[in-house]
Amino acid sequence: DQQVKQNSPSLSVQEGRISILNCDYTNSMFDYFLWYKKYPAEGPTFLISISSIKDKNEDGRFTVFLNKSAKHLSLHIVPSQPGDSAVYFCAARADSGSNYKLTFGKGTLLTVNP
Amino acid sequence: DVKVTQSSRYLVKRTGEKVFLECVQDMDHENMFWYRQDPGLGLRLIYFSYDVKMKEKGDIPEGYSVSREKKERFSLILESASTNQTSMYLCATSPRDGYTFGSGTRLTVV
Repeated sequence: DQQVKQNSPSLSVQEGRISILNCDYTNSMFDYFLWYKKYPAEGPTFLISISSIKDKNEDGRFTVFLNKSAKHLSLHIVPSQPGDSAVYFCAARADSGSNYKLTFGKGTLLTVNP
Repeated sequence: DVKVTQSSRYLVKRTGEKVFLECVQDMDHENMFWYRQDPGLGLRLIYFSYDVKMKEKGDIPEGYSVSREKKERFSLILESASTNQTSMYLCATSPRDGYTFGSGTRLTVV
């Protein structure tokens, strides 16, 4: 049973436009959400996170939105750059008693075309 | 910055071999994790450890074991490597805000 779902395996956008990556979750105990970016042959790197007490968190070109009632979050990248081309993983955590264990989605491959 | 070091970037092993993947972190974190990444399957948790000599199974522990004798080192062991264990293996450590990953080990079992 997949608790974190990224339903789009891939996304292609033009440089300078907005990239929107989506993520849905089913476990209502999740209360902290993260996005990771992964280039080939490298480990994932942390991008941005959001706590369930917020509905938006912004860091430069990256904004994460959380809709708790819909159990949905999205990552917006504006403007998109060719260097943003990577696999993006959504992850979620239930803070109580979890030892900080993250549950990941399957990832979305973003391609930003020059 | 937290550093998580995986001893090998690329490994090629034969079917039936016992394989050790090593991971070392330099930040005194209690929690360490082993994941594998496969195309279309994302990151799947194999084992994790929240203290020395403590371990818990993740979602796909079959065919694997782990060892944590010292806080900074978490080893993944493939008891008898099989071709379906060909994958990218990722070690991570966890401070409060999320994981820091190592660079990964690309293991090919032939």
